[in-house]
Amino acid sequence: GAGVSQSPRYKVAKRGQDVALRCDPISGHVSLFWYQQALGQGPEFLTYFQNEAQLDKSGLPSDRFFAERPEGSVSTLKIQRTQQEDSAVYLCASSTGTSGYEQYFGPGTRLTVT
Amino acid sequence: GESVGLHLPTLSVQEGDNSIINCAYSNSASDYFIWYKQESGKGPQFIIDIRSNMDKRQGQRVTVLLNKTVKHLSLQIAATQPGDSAVYFCAENRASGTYKYIFGTGTRLKVLA
Repeated sequence: GAGVSQSPRYKVAKRGQDVALRCDPISGHVSLFWYQQALGQGPEFLTYFQNEAQLDKSGLPSDRFFAERPEGSVSTLKIQRTQQEDSAVYLCASSTGTSGYEQYFGPGTRLTVT
Repeated sequence: GESVGLHLPTLSVQEGDNSIINCAYSNSASDYFIWYKQESGKGPQFIIDIRSNMDKRQGQRVTVLLNKTVKHLSLQIAATQPGDSAVYFCAENRASGTYKYIFGTGTRLKVLA
């Protein structure tokens, strides 16, 4: 009974390293979202995919952040030249339709940049 | 797992009592709201939603109240159980039919045995 899965669950990176975070959405879900959640805060929107199309990347904090979903299923969030302020939990969510109602979240990847 | 919300507002309730968690939203144009529950080490879990044309919606042991006049949302949990301990977030959809949700800062609920 597959929900949204994310890997790795934990990632420690040295400042300046590149990281790639993977999201496996629920099969058949059209919409996929990435969020960043800092400690003590609610999730903040990063980017949105409808199938393979990235329709909104307005929440990506800098051009070091890049996301893709080439075949409309699995998605990867890549962060280049990581900085300490990138330390957060990165959440992926998917939903059936295009409006994002009832998003199902994965467990997140906790990224710690040292 | 990792902790969520070490410095969040905290509501402590006795097991069996009712809990009320509040949320103020900022955009009067928001027309859809969701309450999420987030346990440590997990992603947010959908609890209940409400559209702006409603004032109240009930689920199993949970009720959401919406007061558009003062832009206030509340989540009521009846007969609170230890398994209800978590961080609760409200989220608003600020533009009808779009996918972008804005999350509040969250409230930690602690259930005391």
